[in-house]
Amino acid sequence: GAVVSQHPSWVICKSGTSVKIECRSLDFQATTMFWYRQFPKQSLMLMATSNEGSKATYEQGVEKDKFLINHASLTLSTLTVTSAHPEDSSFYICSGGTVSYEQYFGPGTRLTVT
Amino acid sequence: GEDVEQSLFLSVREGDSSVINCTYTDSSSTYLYWYKQEPGAGLQLLTYIFSNMDMKQDQRLTVLLNKKDKHLSLRIADTQTGDSAIYFCAEKGTNAGKSTFGDGTTLTVKP
Repeated sequence: GAVVSQHPSWVICKSGTSVKIECRSLDFQATTMFWYRQFPKQSLMLMATSNEGSKATYEQGVEKDKFLINHASLTLSTLTVTSAHPEDSSFYICSGGTVSYEQYFGPGTRLTVT
Repeated sequence: GEDVEQSLFLSVREGDSSVINCTYTDSSSTYLYWYKQEPGAGLQLLTYIFSNMDMKQDQRLTVLLNKKDKHLSLRIADTQTGDSAIYFCAEKGTNAGKSTFGDGTTLTVKP
């Protein structure tokens, strides 16, 4: 089946620094990539949708200047959390979508901001 | 906007069948999905059903869709302790292909 990887799987950073999370589709081309955030014991909250080569579309309430998304190729998207604060601590999950509207999820990245 | 609802908890004994229910509001949903999430892990796609189908079976998993009532269910036959996880129902409409997720049902399987 289609595989999506994320790197790193776990990161701790200091408040005020920036963190970049990579999402790669390993064996398929993801025409669309989605970034989700998940709080403990809660559902996934869609943050943004990105298509290769164009600007991401952010959901209402998500700060685009804080969560920078780049979708440089059909197999790579990155999420950069800028000037991170403890409230940004969360589990971030990406997914890659294909033209057939199937969606495959990465294993997630756990971010802890101290 | 779109809404997906699930019951939060289900507990069954090993060997029994589990049925997880889900309701959704978007009548234009094209795909409906079931995902499994184990502790600390990402989401694993278990199965999906296209909106013009009413049933799909895949080994121990049976998905039933009642499009009129906008009701989706996942039945797990012969439930095992390894099936203990959170199960998310999701729907995908025609809006940019993005999915709307339910809050997840925590399935606990007792030996």
